[in-house]
Amino acid sequence: AQTVTQSQPEMSVQEAETVTLSCTYDTSESNYYLFWYKQPPSRQMILVIRQEAYKQQNATENRFSVNFQKAAKSFSLKISDSQLGDTAMYFCAFIQETSGSRLTFGEGTQLTVNP
Amino acid sequence: SAVISQKPSRDICQRGTSLTIQCQVDSQVTMMFWYRQQPGQSLTLIATANQGSEATYESGFVIDKFPISRPNLTFSTLTVSNMSPEDSSIYLCSVGDRGGNEKLFFGSGTQLSVL
Repeated sequence: AQTVTQSQPEMSVQEAETVTLSCTYDTSESNYYLFWYKQPPSRQMILVIRQEAYKQQNATENRFSVNFQKAAKSFSLKISDSQLGDTAMYFCAFIQETSGSRLTFGEGTQLTVNP
Repeated sequence: SAVISQKPSRDICQRGTSLTIQCQVDSQVTMMFWYRQQPGQSLTLIATANQGSEATYESGFVIDKFPISRPNLTFSTLTVSNMSPEDSSIYLCSVGDRGGNEKLFFGSGTQLSVL
């Protein structure tokens, strides 16, 4: 069975600083997709960044980047120049190519950006 | 990205009643899913809504409790039947397309409270 683990229930960071959220996953397949979603208090699930497992290069989206370590099954999210609007719950998620686009989510990390 | 409209955004219901949640997408999508997010928890997939056929339910979820319709490629409904306080959760619709571009987008969610 595929699992996603986020070992940090809560994190905090000062505005303008950099923070890294951890995620590990477990799968026996070689083709899959990894995601980070952000859920602010509005409860909207917002796609932050996406990584394809067959791509060596780490994905980046503006201030957001990932450190994808396939052998270690690790997929951490780095947020640079943190902003107050980054305060949210962050979920790591995973799709196996054979799973029909069904997402498996981690437990989430509550990130608070302090002024 | 697809624009997803989910209604109602929140509701308070009495035990034993049923609530139907609607998910409307502004474009045709291959895949539609329904997720549940219990208080303080991560998201769990309820079922895949299949156009023109019965939904595919995940372990622990049954059609009698969560009937789903998907009459076309832009619309789906989820009904929470015979509700109890344990059904109090956020219910989210998710859509995506296959074809090597796995991206899943979410509606704004329905906050359901059962008294």
